[in-house]
Amino acid sequence: SYVLTQPPSVSVAPGQTARITCGGNNIGSKSVHWYQQKPGQAPVLVVYDDSDRPSGIPERFSGSSSGNTATLTISRVEAGDEADYYCQVWDSSSDHWVFGGGTKLTVL
Amino acid sequence: EVQLLESGGGLIQPGGSLRLSCAASGFTFSSYAMSWVRQVPGKGLEWVSTISGGGGTSYYADSVKGRFTISRDNSKNTLYVQMNSLRAEDTAIYYCAKLLLMVAFDIWGQGTMVTVSS
Repeated sequence: SYVLTQPPSVSVAPGQTARITCGGNNIGSKSVHWYQQKPGQAPVLVVYDDSDRPSGIPERFSGSSSGNTATLTISRVEAGDEADYYCQVWDSSSDHWVFGGGTKLTVL
Repeated sequence: EVQLLESGGGLIQPGGSLRLSCAASGFTFSSYAMSWVRQVPGKGLEWVSTISGGGGTSYYADSVKGRFTISRDNSKNTLYVQMNSLRAEDTAIYYCAKLLLMVAFDIWGQGTMVTVSS
């Protein structure tokens, strides 16, 4: 089965740029989606199809994907961005939807 | 407003059965595939099952295949999952989610907790 690998944690100072990676075999050939989940809340889709943003998501959130790594970039990080972030793909070979293990973003 | 509202969670003994429901509103329910995703508190997200908009095609994670059955009633705008032979490892918050373009989960419910314990 397809595996997505994320770093457990990323820390960044307010106003700086956070980059959260998601590794997978030839992930650049798949569409990657990213979710933000704050404590006690349901996940929220923040980026889909590698780099598109749903309505209402700030432009500070962007995504890219190439080769074996996809990246969620959060510019001008704010305290309110502190959350868990998950990457996700649809694996066509198994018809399974796959999540990464999640990355906890800490705003210092 | 697009909304998903789960219900049916609770405490159930190992080996027991439970049916979760998810009431949808604010969008054309029958036009979209729907899914169940679960999360052990404090842990990551795990996809459980997906059903097509018309209900004719369903998909399951290996961990629940043969024990869980996803279904939908488009006349009632409601998604279900019938969970049989429940195990302790099925203990989790269960979210229903709407699928965007069959690949991404763009709308989530607030979740319902299922606890499997004697």
